[in-house]
Amino acid sequence: EVHLVESGGGLVKPGGSLRLSCSASGFTFSSFSINWVRQAPGEGLEWVSSINSDINDIYYADSVKGRFTISRDNGKNSMSLQMNSLRAEDTAVYYCARVHTVGAALGAFDLWGQGTMVTVSS
Amino acid sequence: QLVLTQSPSASASLGASVKLTCTLSSGHSSFAIAWHQQQPEKGPRYLMKLYSDGSHTKGDGIPDRFSGSSSGAERYLTISSLQSEDEADYYCQTWGTGILVFGGGTKLTVL
Repeated sequence: EVHLVESGGGLVKPGGSLRLSCSASGFTFSSFSINWVRQAPGEGLEWVSSINSDINDIYYADSVKGRFTISRDNGKNSMSLQMNSLRAEDTAVYYCARVHTVGAALGAFDLWGQGTMVTVSS
Repeated sequence: QLVLTQSPSASASLGASVKLTCTLSSGHSSFAIAWHQQQPEKGPRYLMKLYSDGSHTKGDGIPDRFSGSSSGAERYLTISSLQSEDEADYYCQTWGTGILVFGGGTKLTVL
C-alpha cells in the first residue's frame, strides 16, 4: 500500500527553526515530484514548495521564499522541509503530497500524508 | 494571475445530487484541475484530475457517485446519491509554470 508519512512538527518560538520530514513507501519514490502543502487552523489549503524527482526543479510560494528549503534523498525515500525564521503565520498542519504525473514538477496531487502540526508561538 | 474561485458553501439532502463549481481565472480556461475532499479532522483525499474536455482520472477507490465535467473555465464536481460521509470540504487545485494554487474550498453540508 502506498503511503506518505510526515514527522518533525512541534512548538517553536518566532524566529526559530524546524525541520519536517516526509517518508514514502509502496511506490517508486524517485520517479515522483513531492510537494509540501499547509493548512492554517480553520483555513484552506496553501501550497508551500515543490521538488521534482531529479532535484533540478524546485519551487516555493512567495510566502516562504528565502526562509524555507526543500530537499530530498531518493536513496532513503524521503524528503525534508527546513523552515527558518519562523513566524506566527507559519502555524499550520503541514502535508506532503505526491504529484500524479511521473516526471512533472507540479501537477495534480494523488497521494497525501496525514500531516504534522507546526505551532509558532512564544 | 492564476486563481481558482469556489463558492464557500453548498448544501443538499441525503440521497440527492449536488454540483460544485470551480472557476479558473481569465486566460486559463484550458487548464486541468484536481478535486480533493477533506472530511472533518482528516487530511485531504484525492478525488480526480479533471481536464478541460471533461475527461477525468479518478483516484483509487473513489465511488462512481463522484464525477467531473467541464465547460469553458468552469470545472464541476457532481456527487450523486449523497451520503452523510460526503459532508466535507472540497478543494480544487491547479498548477502552472512554477506555481500551484488551490481554490478557497466549498463546505458541503448534507441535510
